[in-house]
Amino acid sequence: DSGVTQTPKHLITATGQRVTLRCSPRSGDLSVYWYQQSLDQGLQFLIQYYNGEERAKGNILERFSAQQFPDLHSELNLSSLELGDSALYFCASSLHWDPAYGYTFGSGTRLTVV
Amino acid sequence: SQQGEEDPQALSIQEGENATMNCSYKTSINNLQWYRQNSGRGLVHLILIRSNEREKHSGRLRVTLDTSKKSSSLLITASRAADTASYFCATDGWGGAQKLVFGQGTRLTINP
Repeated sequence: DSGVTQTPKHLITATGQRVTLRCSPRSGDLSVYWYQQSLDQGLQFLIQYYNGEERAKGNILERFSAQQFPDLHSELNLSSLELGDSALYFCASSLHWDPAYGYTFGSGTRLTVV
Repeated sequence: SQQGEEDPQALSIQEGENATMNCSYKTSINNLQWYRQNSGRGLVHLILIRSNEREKHSGRLRVTLDTSKKSSSLLITASRAADTASYFCATDGWGGAQKLVFGQGTRLTINP
C-alpha cells in the first residue's frame, strides 16, 4: 500500500456519461497530480494541485476538470465520455510542488467506456 | 510529446543476468527519476539522480546520467523474476513546468 488511495478501482460506463474519480494523497503530502495512461499515448500529465490551488496543467481536455478540496483529497471529473477516454487514470502525491521530492502513485482507476 | 524516450522498448533476459535500459531526453533538467510499474499497477519510485550527479547506486540498481548527451541509463544487476515490469524514466524542468514528464517505458521480462 503506497498510501495514495484511488477509488473506484474499475469503472465501466457508456459514451456520453460523466464520472468522478477520487484520490486521497499520502498523509502529509500537499501536491496531487493526475495522469492518464493509455497504450498509444503512454503516461500523460493532466493536472497538478498544490494545497488546494491549481499549479500546473497539461494536455487536459476541456471535458475534464479537477479540484483539490480543503482536506487535500482530489477529484477528477470526466464528462461527455468517448471511447478514446478508456485508460488507466493515476493519481500521485508528493510533499512539495517540486518534482525533486519524487511522486507516490496510487494503484489507479481503470476506466472503460463502452 | 514525451520528454524522455526509453531504449529498448522491450528487453527479455535470463534470470541472473544484468539488464540495462537507456533514457534520452531533450531539454535541460534539474533531476531525472526512474520508476517501475508492474502490470496494471501504480508506478513505484526507484531512484533519483540530480543534474550535478553522474552516478548513483541503490541496492542492485545503478543509474548514470550524462547531461552533455542528455541521457541516462538504469542497470539492474543479478536480475530476478520479480524484476519483471515496465521501467520509466521521468524528467522535470521541461519548459519550466514543475511536473514530471514520463517516457514510454521499457518492458523488461526476466525468464526463469
